[in-house]
Amino acid sequence: GENVEQHPSTLSVQEGDSAVIKCTYSDSASNYFPWYKQELGKGPQLIIDIRSNVGEKKDQRIAVTLNKTAKHFSLHITETQPEDSAVYFCAASDRNTGKLIFGQGTTLQVKP
Amino acid sequence: DTAVSQTPKYLVTQMGNDKSIKCEQNLGHDTMYWYKQDSKKFLKIMFSYNNKELIINETVPNRFSPKSPDKAHLNLHINSLELGDSAVYFCASSQVRGDNEQFFGPGTRLTVL
Repeated sequence: GENVEQHPSTLSVQEGDSAVIKCTYSDSASNYFPWYKQELGKGPQLIIDIRSNVGEKKDQRIAVTLNKTAKHFSLHITETQPEDSAVYFCAASDRNTGKLIFGQGTTLQVKP
Repeated sequence: DTAVSQTPKYLVTQMGNDKSIKCEQNLGHDTMYWYKQDSKKFLKIMFSYNNKELIINETVPNRFSPKSPDKAHLNLHINSLELGDSAVYFCASSQVRGDNEQFFGPGTRLTVL
């Protein structure tokens, strides 16, 4: 089955700097890669997703890149703000079962 | 106008008890899920239902039993609670099964004493 590795586990940046979170996956048949943001005491919320027929997708300050050959994808947040502080999860969809396999999460702290 | 709601938000109980967590979605989605998030924040799927039919059943002790009375509701019953069951349980839903956005509820923090 699918396996997703996420790094780093914690990330601290100054307000205004960029943050990058990286994930690798094991199943080359996976074709859907969402990113979720989880704020303290809340459920995860989708912030951006990418499918295997696209190499990059951007939404304002957030972008995701996908390298299918290397089986890795990354989340880029530019001009970080304190409200970006949260736990971020990458995920990959298991093609056989349709279930999402999540990475271990990255705790992002943006210092004002 | 809550999309996915869960009750209760907090649940504190003794070992050996039986408890239930309820989930409702008003999005008209066909597919619902239960996830467990442990103390290290690791998020793992437990069950998934599509139109009241069980489609994903992970390696979960049979003390856990999901029940879907209709496609808007997916409840989780846990028998003979153990210390290791302490976690945050999230319900989620998606329009269809497969590769599309999942909407998560606010979570239920279960503490077993």
